[in-house]
Amino acid sequence: EADIYQTPRYLVIGTGKKITLECSQTMGHDKMYWYQQDPGMELHLIHYSYGVNSTEKGDLSSESTVSRIRTEHFPLTLESARPSHTSQYLCASSPVFVQGTFDEQFFGPGTRLTVL
Amino acid sequence: GENVEQHPSTLSVQEGDSAVIKCTYSDSASNYFPWYKQELGKGPQLIIDIRSNVGEKKDQRIAVTLNKTAKHFSLHITETQPEDSAVYFCAARLGSNYQLIWGAGTKLIIKP
Repeated sequence: EADIYQTPRYLVIGTGKKITLECSQTMGHDKMYWYQQDPGMELHLIHYSYGVNSTEKGDLSSESTVSRIRTEHFPLTLESARPSHTSQYLCASSPVFVQGTFDEQFFGPGTRLTVL
Repeated sequence: GENVEQHPSTLSVQEGDSAVIKCTYSDSASNYFPWYKQELGKGPQLIIDIRSNVGEKKDQRIAVTLNKTAKHFSLHITETQPEDSAVYFCAARLGSNYQLIWGAGTKLIIKP
């Protein structure tokens, strides 16, 4: 069982509110990711990080921002939530091995966000 | 860039029968192909993966085959059981410094 946690699990919030989705992992993994997923549908990478102070934008354009001040923590923030942000947000982490090997991504349970 | 197509989007099979899900990729340089299973209310979990230097890999009731010439790979589940019901995702990656490109998912339904 992977040790990666997301809070809250469910969030219903009004338009214009600022929200932060929390993600923490206790495995010491360097790589972390945020995906956006409509239930049962394709995963879209919105942010990723190779380690502390590293953040990159993913393939899907997103109005959210992320930070990586500590290895274990990778929060995602929406400054002003809109109904179009309604979705499920999945956090994942993976270890970095020596070149030539491949890494498994470990996923958290997700945060289901609804913006009214 | 890399593109991954996954079929079918929904697959319904009788318990005990086999299930096959297929994916095609566009970039011949891709060298890593994992399969993830996502159960309701949970995040995806890796169930099997294959590298480009291998044609087939098995783990109990599941197997993955890779055809590099045709640029497609498939997940095979034999003797399906109710707990196999889930959404399955394939993915492909060019190398360890690249990100996974995901398929759109297949909802597998096991009929009792």
